[in-house]
Amino acid sequence: EIVLTQSPATLSLSPGERATLSCRASQSVSSYLAWYQQKPGQAPRLLIYDASNRATGIPARFSGSGSGTDFTLTISSLEPEDFAVYYCQQRSNWPSFGQGTKLEIK
Amino acid sequence: QVQLQESGPGLVKPSQTLSLTCTVSGGSISSGSYYWSWIRQPAGKGLEWIGRIYTSGSTNYNPSLKSRVTISVDTSKNQFSLKLSSVTAADTAVYYCARGSYCGGDCYSDWGQGTLVTVSS
Repeated sequence: EIVLTQSPATLSLSPGERATLSCRASQSVSSYLAWYQQKPGQAPRLLIYDASNRATGIPARFSGSGSGTDFTLTISSLEPEDFAVYYCQQRSNWPSFGQGTKLEIK
Repeated sequence: QVQLQESGPGLVKPSQTLSLTCTVSGGSISSGSYYWSWIRQPAGKGLEWIGRIYTSGSTNYNPSLKSRVTISVDTSKNQFSLKLSSVTAADTAVYYCARGSYCGGDCYSDWGQGTLVTVSS
């Protein structure tokens, strides 16, 4: 089983700041990594797939990078609506998710 | 724009079988090359992939749940379903159905709103 570890667990930032979220895999997942945003009471929303590709309709301030075991989601300038929980997901074998990073307003 | 909606009992007794249905609207479940998946989320916790069914009817399951899970599709009703047997309190969660339309079917851009299933006597 591939385990995804996200850090930090909580990130406190202000609107306009840059956010950097990390996801580390217990073994290589190549570029088979996606990122999701989830707000309270809502289903997750796909942001990034295959490490660096934005899904349809996702703003350009969201970007992803990495390969192998280390991945990063960057939000270049935080908007108020970006404060949420973010999950990474691998699909190297059966799909699995990280435990999430909560992005909160400082 | 495809829409998904979960339905089923919100309360299931321990040792019984949890049964949920996902109704797809705005498109045919049998058109295109998509995986239709079930994913769950215990309260305050992360996401767990349960399994998926392809439009052809082939299935794949999370190995940790495989012995208890069955996913099936009813193309005449534009629905797919989840059965999870021998449930315990650990199976209490919000259950989502989702369509995999990216990454060869394993990245999920379309989700249902989720339905809470509580396992309790």
